[in-house]
Amino acid sequence: EPEVTQTPSHQVTQMGQEVILRCVPISNHLYFYWYRQILGQKVEFLVSFYNNEISEKSEIFDDQFSVERPDGSNFTLKIRSTKLEDSAMYFCASMKDRVSYEQYFGPGTRLTVT
Amino acid sequence: KNEVEQSPQNLTAQEGEFITINCSYSVGISALHWLQQHPGGGIVSLFMLSSGKKKHGRLIATINIQEKHSSLHITASHPRDSAVYICAPNTGNQFYFGTGTSLTVIP
Repeated sequence: EPEVTQTPSHQVTQMGQEVILRCVPISNHLYFYWYRQILGQKVEFLVSFYNNEISEKSEIFDDQFSVERPDGSNFTLKIRSTKLEDSAMYFCASMKDRVSYEQYFGPGTRLTVT
Repeated sequence: KNEVEQSPQNLTAQEGEFITINCSYSVGISALHWLQQHPGGGIVSLFMLSSGKKKHGRLIATINIQEKHSSLHITASHPRDSAVYICAPNTGNQFYFGTGTSLTVIP
């Protein structure tokens, strides 16, 4: 069964460093999402992406964040200058269409900023 | 401001019990997800609903669009159902998430 994959599974970085979180969505999916979950808190929407552009973003997704689909398969989330409060689990998800609205989630990347 | 409210927040049940988790939302939606998050953190989509009712095995989900309310039912609960269940309405471009209901099923 096709699945969404994410790398790395765990990333430790120092405050102020740039990180890139990588996701490979399911190949025939058209809509892509990033979410984050701070430990002990609820999942939060960051950004949705369709047709090579951002379709919606939350207040959390400020200028420090960017997304890209550089090669038609990977979908990346970049944090330019990490802060301690960026420590969280980051989930990528993909969706084939807006008929079924079925989202498939990746296993997540745990980001620890020290 | 909470666009999504779930109840109860925590639920402990004996194996075999019928379980209901409720979700109320304030946003206009295209569809609503029920998600299951296991202790390891992984998220699995259980249902996507835009109207009526869906059933997968022992799980049943219902939605009332007019009342902005959805329920997730688990029949004949089992310890392997222990997880956090999350309601996530979708407005078209964005998903909102409830805080989740932590379910523990005791053998």
